[in-house]
Amino acid sequence: NAGVTQTPKFQVLKTGQSMTLQCAQDMNHNSMYWYRQDPGMGLRLIYYSASEGTTDKGEVPNGYNVSRLNKREFSLRLESAAPSQTSVYFCASSRTENTEAFFGQGTRLTVV
Amino acid sequence: GDSVTQMEGPVTLSEEAFLTINCTYTATGYPSLFWYVQYPGEGLQLLLKATKADDKGSNKGFEATYRKETTSFHLEKGSVQVSDSAVYFCALSRWDSNYQLIWGAGTKLIIKP
Repeated sequence: NAGVTQTPKFQVLKTGQSMTLQCAQDMNHNSMYWYRQDPGMGLRLIYYSASEGTTDKGEVPNGYNVSRLNKREFSLRLESAAPSQTSVYFCASSRTENTEAFFGQGTRLTVV
Repeated sequence: GDSVTQMEGPVTLSEEAFLTINCTYTATGYPSLFWYVQYPGEGLQLLLKATKADDKGSNKGFEATYRKETTSFHLEKGSVQVSDSAVYFCALSRWDSNYQLIWGAGTKLIIKP
């Protein structure tokens, strides 16, 4: 009954370092998403993958890359972290693009 | 573009009080509307939804009615409990935007015993 699993839960990076946030879902969903959550701004879509083999930019893609490794996994990479990328990152999945989204527990990232 | 506006929080209520969290939206066409809830330290989970005008979504004692004439989807609960303390997000999606969810800023609800 795992649902959407994100790793790590917490991370501190120095400016310029790189890292990859991992996300996996076990619900056989087609669509997966990466959001960032900042105080007072709700959630903003970084990238999404409507189906295996496709990825598209969301509202705030700059500074990020994604890989839809297979149907289960969707990773988010920060090539050169900046303090402006300090945020809480959520991965989500849905059966299709117009059905309920299920969220992971989030990754709290701090860039110093 | 499409947008969602929620009342600013935090909203602080006593247990058993009546709750209203306002949500209005701007969108062309006929979006679907959602309320998600985020409990402390957790991800978001769907609370309720409505897909067409005059639909009422309900779950766990919460209700919201899709009002196209006022472009609103206000969340209500008749008697709140301490366990309802959370952040509530209103969102919309449209078929012609690849169903991408547009989110409100969230409203933090604090229920005092």
